[in-house]
Amino acid sequence: AQSVTQLDSHVSVSEGTPVLLRCNYSSSYSPSLFWYVQHPNKGLQLLLKYTSAATLVKGINGFEAEFKKSETSFHLTKPSAHMSDAAEYFCVTPARRGAGGSYIPTFGRGTSLIVHP
Amino acid sequence: GAGVSQSPSNKVTEKGKDVELRCDPISGHTALYWYRQRLGQGLEFLIYFQGNSAPDKSGLPSDRFSAERTGESVSTLTIQRTQQEDSAVYLCASSLAGLANEQFFGPGTRLTVL
Repeated sequence: AQSVTQLDSHVSVSEGTPVLLRCNYSSSYSPSLFWYVQHPNKGLQLLLKYTSAATLVKGINGFEAEFKKSETSFHLTKPSAHMSDAAEYFCVTPARRGAGGSYIPTFGRGTSLIVHP
Repeated sequence: GAGVSQSPSNKVTEKGKDVELRCDPISGHTALYWYRQRLGQGLEFLIYFQGNSAPDKSGLPSDRFSAERTGESVSTLTIQRTQQEDSAVYLCASSLAGLANEQFFGPGTRLTVL
């Protein structure tokens, strides 16, 4: 069954330093993968998605992620953190569920990004 | 165009009462999802509607939870005989059909059961 694992529950960085949020997937085929961001008291928003095209995917707000099949990873990165990046980040992949066999976007547990001044 | 809307934004109820939460998806989106997010937790899948197909109810935590959707429009999530552990933010999302399509989320309904 397809799933994602977010390796860190919290990541703390200083403003202006690089960001790395880790996500590993398990799948027997090339999956669709997404990163969503949830700012405090706001709705979830798509950052970027991978759908078997280019392995390096660029998203909004300077974020990007690289699909690495050999490592089954889809880590989210940003060269320089900004205070406004402080939020909860979710790695998502469709996973087969239930008796009906529907593929449902299934969320990782989330990684809280803390940015220090 | 308008995004996904949910109502009410906040609901406070007493234990044992029934509540009904509403979701208006983006027009043309055939897929609709309900999730529950407890404080400080990730998203817990509840139910999925796709067009006129039978909904996938595999995430509903108990028979107190039910949901309906009229065609490809409004959906309501009903929780009967609410319990304190039902307190959470209930999120609705809609998307076009297909695994590669982005989900668009509503702002959520914050449910507090006293």
